[in-house]
Amino acid sequence: KQEVTQIPAALSVPEGENLVLNCSFTDSAIYNLQWFRQDPGKGLTSLLLIQSSQREQTSGRLNASLDKSSGRSTLYIAASQPGDSATYLCALNRGAAGNKLTFGGGTRVLVKP
Amino acid sequence: NAGVTQTPKFQVLKTGQSMTLQCAQDMNHEYMSWYRQDPGMGLRLIHYSVGAGITDQGEVPNGYNVSRSTTEDFPLRLLSAAPSQTSVYFCASSYRERATQYFGPGTRLLVL
Repeated sequence: KQEVTQIPAALSVPEGENLVLNCSFTDSAIYNLQWFRQDPGKGLTSLLLIQSSQREQTSGRLNASLDKSSGRSTLYIAASQPGDSATYLCALNRGAAGNKLTFGGGTRVLVKP
Repeated sequence: NAGVTQTPKFQVLKTGQSMTLQCAQDMNHEYMSWYRQDPGMGLRLIHYSVGAGITDQGEVPNGYNVSRSTTEDFPLRLLSAAPSQTSVYFCASSYRERATQYFGPGTRLLVL
C-alpha cells in the first residue's frame, strides 16, 4: 500500500526565508505528484503538478522536484511571505483508474512578519 | 468559469437522517471524485467517476452512494447518517487521467 509522509507536520519561519517542504512515498510506481495549498476552512488549491517523467516544475516563487528512485518530492518556496502561511499537502496519483490520489498528512506553515 | 462548486457549505444532521451533498463543475471534466478530510487521517477517497454513468468505490465507500447522470454533476448521498461521518467533504474534478485535479470549497458535515 502506498504511504505518503510529510515531515515536519508544522514549520515556522521568519519572513524572507526560503521554505523547504518534504514529501516521501514508499512506492515509486506513480503517474504524477501534485502539491496543494489549503487555507484554514477552505478547499485545496493546486500549486504544481509533476508528471512521473519529469524531475521538476516551477511556477513563480515555487519549485517542486521529484526523485522517484528515492521516493521523495520537495517543494521550495523562495523568499517566503506572511501570505504563504497555510497547510501544504502533497498527493500521489497511483496510476489506477480514476485519477485516484493518495495524500500526505500535510505541513502547516507559519511565516512570521 | 465557476470551477468546482459544492452545496451546502455546512450541514447538521441527526443520526439516521439522509442527505445529498451536491457537487458540480463547469469545466467539462470527465473525472470526478469525493474525498473526506478528518484530523489525523488526512484526505481519503470515497467514490470516483470516470465519466457519465460510470462510478466506482474508493478507500472508504461504506455508508455513501453516488451516481453520475451528467458530466457536470456528481452528488454524494448519505443513506443513514452516523456520527462517524462527521467530516469535511471535498469534491474534485480533472479533465483526463494524469491531469491536474481541482477541488471544491468543501462541505462541513456534523452528525449528532
